[in-house]
Amino acid sequence: GAVVSQHPSWVICKSGTSVKIECRSLDFQATTMFWYRQFPKQSLMLMATSNEGSKATYEQGVEKDKFLINHASLTLSTLTVTSAHPEDSSFYICSARDTVGANEQFFGPGTRLTVL
Amino acid sequence: QKEVEQNSGPLSVPEGAIASLNCTYSDRVSQSFFWYRQYSGKSPELIMSIYSNGDKEDGRFTAQLNKASQYVSLLIRDSQPSDSATYLCAGNNYGQNFVFGPGTRLSVLP
Repeated sequence: GAVVSQHPSWVICKSGTSVKIECRSLDFQATTMFWYRQFPKQSLMLMATSNEGSKATYEQGVEKDKFLINHASLTLSTLTVTSAHPEDSSFYICSARDTVGANEQFFGPGTRLTVL
Repeated sequence: QKEVEQNSGPLSVPEGAIASLNCTYSDRVSQSFFWYRQYSGKSPELIMSIYSNGDKEDGRFTAQLNKASQYVSLLIRDSQPSDSATYLCAGNNYGQNFVFGPGTRLSVLP
């Protein structure tokens, strides 16, 4: 149980385009999902917390107009990187919190974004 | 003080030895703790959670929590080369978010 999927697993795009990443909890309902970014050899950085049916809460320094988050259902959250630039190239990972269970976070497999 | 601190390593142990990974936390972190393993290029995988003072064992892994010292550790017995990874310690920050330490890189030498 507690499986989280992400799609796509990797994406290459041109500078200035937008990219959407999907995060799904497959076997549990997740009222809260989290979006992280990780640069090579660095730790996870929380970007935003996404609650189903409400606006996401962004961490300090994360541009909400650039990283659009939608959490329309209990099993799906999306992150859209708008007008992507090479400095946005990173490993984007979502996680979902099983509020019914033991309060743990389960991570998706991640999406590697490369902006040319 | 950072909320969750870890020695970045690398920590090198021979195959078959016990690997000991340590984590300290500040008052801003509540007392629910989690250990994740992250292989290079992959996302973190939950290994253990611990909520109460003392030890919790699961197979070759033992998590230890000492609330008085604000210290949580992970012991890996009979370390294998496949255990080589970065181990992340995380705690709740009294809300719904996790606070992650920077991770300790473990290398198990055959």
